[in-house]
Amino acid sequence: GEDVEQSLFLSVREGDSSVINCTYTDSSSTYLYWYKQEPGAGLQLLTYIFSNMDMKQDQRLTVLLNKKDKHLSLRIADTQTGDSAIYFCAESPNTGGFKTIFGAGTRLFVKA
Amino acid sequence: DAGVTQSPTHLIKTRGQHVTLRCSPISGHKSVSWYQQVLGQGPQFIFQYYEKEERGRGNFPDRFSARQFPNYSSELNVNALLLGDSALYLCASSWGLADEQFFGPGTRLTVL
Repeated sequence: GEDVEQSLFLSVREGDSSVINCTYTDSSSTYLYWYKQEPGAGLQLLTYIFSNMDMKQDQRLTVLLNKKDKHLSLRIADTQTGDSAIYFCAESPNTGGFKTIFGAGTRLFVKA
Repeated sequence: DAGVTQSPTHLIKTRGQHVTLRCSPISGHKSVSWYQQVLGQGPQFIFQYYEKEERGRGNFPDRFSARQFPNYSSELNVNALLLGDSALYLCASSWGLADEQFFGPGTRLTVL
C-alpha cells in the first residue's frame, strides 16, 4: 500500500536545529520530497532527493534517506522564526500512474 | 512570469450542487495535477493530466472529473457535492510528468 507517516508537531528554539522525520511504504518511489506550507499559502517545494542517494544538502537543509528502513528526514540548521510552518513529506511511487503521496504534515513551532 | 493561478479563491455551495474549479498553469508547463487538502491533513492526489490526457487518478469517486484544454489550463468538476468535499483544492503544474510541481494558492470550497 501507499502511505507516508510523519509526527504531527515539533517545537524548537530559535537557533537550534530541527529534525523532521518521515516513513514511507512504497520502495518503488524514485523521488522523495519535502514541501513547506505557510498559513494561507500554497505548497512550496523545499528540496527533493533521488532514491539512489543517501544525503542531500542545500544551504540550511539536509535530507537523509535510509532506503532500507524507508525513512526520510529533513534537518533545518539554525532554525528561524520564519521557518514556522507545516512541512510535508511526499513520495512519487512508480506504480499506478503518476501521482504524489503526501504525509499529514509536521507543524514546526519556532520559539524566539 | 505568473505562477499557477486558480479561480475562484473561495466558494460556498450546498449539498447536491456541482462545482467547477479552474487552474492556469505556468506558461510552458504541459502537466496539471489536482489535489484535495482537507483541514489538518496532507494533500490527496486526485488527477494528473499531461498533453490533455489523464495520466494518473487517485482514489476518488466518479463524481470527480477533470479535463485539460489545448492551452493546458484545466478544470476540476465535482458533482453531487457532499459535506465531506469541503476542502482546499490545489492545482499544481509541471513541465513534464515527473518534473518539479509548482502549486497554486488553492480554491477553498465550503459545502453547507
